[in-house]
Amino acid sequence: GAVVSQHPSRVICKSGTSVKIECRSLDFQATTMFWYRQFPKQSLMLMATSNEGSKATYEQGVEKDKFLINHASLTLSTLTVTSAHPEDSSFYICSANRGLETQYFGPGTRLLVL
Amino acid sequence: GDSVTQMEGPVTLSEEAFLTINCTYTATGYPSLFWYVQYPGEGLQLLLKATKADDKGSNKGFEATYRKETTSFHLEKGSVQVSDSAVYFCALSGGNFNKFYFGSGTKLNVKP
Repeated sequence: GAVVSQHPSRVICKSGTSVKIECRSLDFQATTMFWYRQFPKQSLMLMATSNEGSKATYEQGVEKDKFLINHASLTLSTLTVTSAHPEDSSFYICSANRGLETQYFGPGTRLLVL
Repeated sequence: GDSVTQMEGPVTLSEEAFLTINCTYTATGYPSLFWYVQYPGEGLQLLLKATKADDKGSNKGFEATYRKETTSFHLEKGSVQVSDSAVYFCALSGGNFNKFYFGSGTKLNVKP
């Protein structure tokens, strides 16, 4: 089946630094990828839609300058959390569409900002 | 707008008990419906899906039927196992499988 990977799986950083999370579709090309955030014991919140070769579309309330998204190729999207603060600590999950099939989700990246 | 409502947990059952997790939705058009499962410390895994009314999705003993008349997609399993302990998310998506809207998740604890 289709596989979506994320790297790193877990990251700890100091407040004020930036962290980059990669999302890769391993065996298919994804023109569209999505980034979600999951707070502890809560559901997934869609943050943005990442389109290859164009600017990402952010959901209401998500700061685009805070969460930079780059979809550089058909198999890679990156989310950079800039000037991270403890409140940015969360579980970040990406997903990718394969054609008209369902979305495939990555395993998630746990970010802890100290 | 589109939304999903599922029963709050946690749900605690004994092994071999019958499971039902309720899910209802609100959507424009004809969405596809999904159940995802999340094991501790892991990402989401697709459990089953249904793309049109009256379809039944099934996998690993779990099943759910797309009921347009009641806008529901309840998850059921006849006999749960300890290994089924996880968080279950109901979700819907528009026709192009773009934006997903997730329910709040239901934690299932199965005791031996």
